[in-house]
Amino acid sequence: QVQLQESGPGLVKPSQTLSLTCTVSGGSFSTDNYYWSWIRQPAGKGLEWIGRIYPSGSTDYNASLKSRVTISIDTSKNQFSLKLNSVTAADTAVYFCARDLGVLGPEDYWGQGTLVTVSS
Amino acid sequence: EVVLTQSPATLSLSPGERATLSCRASQSVRTYLAWYQQKPGQAPRLLIYDASNRATGIPARFSGSGSGTDFTLTISSLEPEDFAVYYCHQRSDWPRSFGPGTKVDIK
Repeated sequence: QVQLQESGPGLVKPSQTLSLTCTVSGGSFSTDNYYWSWIRQPAGKGLEWIGRIYPSGSTDYNASLKSRVTISIDTSKNQFSLKLNSVTAADTAVYFCARDLGVLGPEDYWGQGTLVTVSS
Repeated sequence: EVVLTQSPATLSLSPGERATLSCRASQSVRTYLAWYQQKPGQAPRLLIYDASNRATGIPARFSGSGSGTDFTLTISSLEPEDFAVYYCHQRSDWPRSFGPGTKVDIK
């Protein structure tokens, strides 16, 4: 059973950088043909796909966030990370990490999500 | 960018009734359309992928259909645990996108 767990600060000041890490347990993090994704959800609103990374390090980003987003991976720790810079209140949301099946399908396993609030 | 619209926004039904949820895409997504269920405080749960395939462990009362731009999620007989928000999601085009959701609540 694959499990994902997000971690990171719950409060970030405006104009600073939001940094989150997702730790994956179970499964074969770096050998299976899966991607690892970040998705967010503002309170009471819908889901926004942020981007994904393959174990090789190749990435795909949502163009609307691309200039501010970096997703990286550390296969030795079974972790991948999200950095979002120059944050504003509009970036306040629950951030989810998920496993993306790539050509085989959509995101199937998700973390529980972590709330990040942007406020001074 | 593919825009997904879902209807209705809210569906008020009683346990045992049939629920029919619609998702329409702004351009063809072929059959690369998934459905998720989300309950308050929880992550989305994958129900249906590639328009009509049930994910592992999903009860047979959930079924999906459609292709191109029009898709339907049907819950044949609502159980108490099925009252939730349902999102459609496309992976045919970049960026991947989600619909705004349909809330199924108890009448």
